[in-house]
This record gives sequence, C-alpha cells and structure tokens, in this order.
Amino acid sequence: DQQVKQNSPSLSVQEGRISILNCDYTNSMFDYFLWYKKYPAEGPTFLISISSIKDKNEDGRFTVFLNKSAKHLSLHIVPSQPGDSAVYFCAAIETSGSRLTFGEGTQLTVNP
Amino acid sequence: DSGVTQTPKHLITATGQRVTLRCSPRSGDLSVYWYQQSLDQGLQFLIQYYNGEERAKGNILERFSAQQFPDLHSELNLSSLELGDSALYFCASSVTLRHDTGELFFGEGSRLTVL
Repeated sequence: DQQVKQNSPSLSVQEGRISILNCDYTNSMFDYFLWYKKYPAEGPTFLISISSIKDKNEDGRFTVFLNKSAKHLSLHIVPSQPGDSAVYFCAAIETSGSRLTFGEGTQLTVNP
Repeated sequence: DSGVTQTPKHLITATGQRVTLRCSPRSGDLSVYWYQQSLDQGLQFLIQYYNGEERAKGNILERFSAQQFPDLHSELNLSSLELGDSALYFCASSVTLRHDTGELFFGEGSRLTVL
C-alpha cells in the first residue's frame, strides 16, 4: 500500500519557467511533509518542509503548498534552473511516528 | 558531504550469499535509519535504531537484520540473497528520534547487485 504517491515519474521544463511537482497521500495521520532532492550518485538531501497546520511554506525559489482536504501537496520552483535537475522525493511523517514514508520520486529536467 | 559514511559503495555477489553493509552516522547523531531503493521504486523504510535500540521496523525481510553498536555505527546484514534484493541501500542519521524539521542526513548509498 503506497501511502505517498508521486504520479509523474518525470517532468521537463525550460530554464526560467516554473516547475510544479505533485504528491498525493492517503494516510490522514501524516502531520509533517518534506521534499528531498537527489542527484545521481548522492544520497537524498532535505529541501523544504511543511507542517499540517500550514498551507504554504516558502524558502527562496522553493514553495511547498499543502491541501489537507485533498491530501495533496506540491512543490513549486520559480524560476527553474538547470542545476535543479534531480529526482525529487515527497515524504511524510505520522503524528506519533519517527520514520519518513517516501513517494516514488519525480525526475525533474530543466533545459537551458 | 552529509557526514554519513556508507561502505562499500558497490557490491556484486551471487544468489544465496550473505553481505554486510556498514554505516557510520554523523558525529553526535543517535538515530540511524536504513532505506532500500529498488529500480523505479521510492525509498522503502527498513528499520530504525536509536542509541543502540531498535525503534521502528518497516518492510524488512526476515532474511535481513540490522544492529547498532555502542559506537553508534550500524550494520545491515542481508542473507540468502535473491535477485530481487539488488537495490541501493541508504543509511540516514539524525540527532533526534523524530526529524520533522528535516534533520535527516543520508549517506551516498551502497549499490548491491545480486547475480
């Protein structure tokens, strides 16, 4: 049972445009959501997070939106840069939990 | 550099064999996690240790076991290996039990190929 799903395996955008990566979840006990970025031959690195009590969190070019009623979150990157090309993982953690549940990942390619 | 060290980086072995993957967490981190990433799959949680004790278990097969030693390094043992065990195995560490502010640091992974 995949509790966190990223339905788009890949996304390609032009440099300078907006990248929107989507994530859906099914577990209503999730109360914290995170995005990790992974370059080839490296481990995932933390990018941005959002608590379930918020609907938006912004950090520079990266903004995460949370729609609890739809159990959906998205990551916006504006403007996109070629260095943003990586696999992006959505992850969630339960109220009483200590481990992250990850989605399958979306490969973002930003073309110059 | 996350500060988490995993060895070996690459490992090729045959079905039926046993291997041990090693992880050294960041200095001061008490919590160690193991994740498995198979082809086209997300990161699947295997097991968590905190200060030497097992704290959470995911979809870890009975053929797999792990432990965290007094110096906080951890080992993941995979036995009776099957072709389907071929994957990237990541270790991650954090200071606390719950890392909802993102302080989870991953190593570069150990790529296991079972032939």
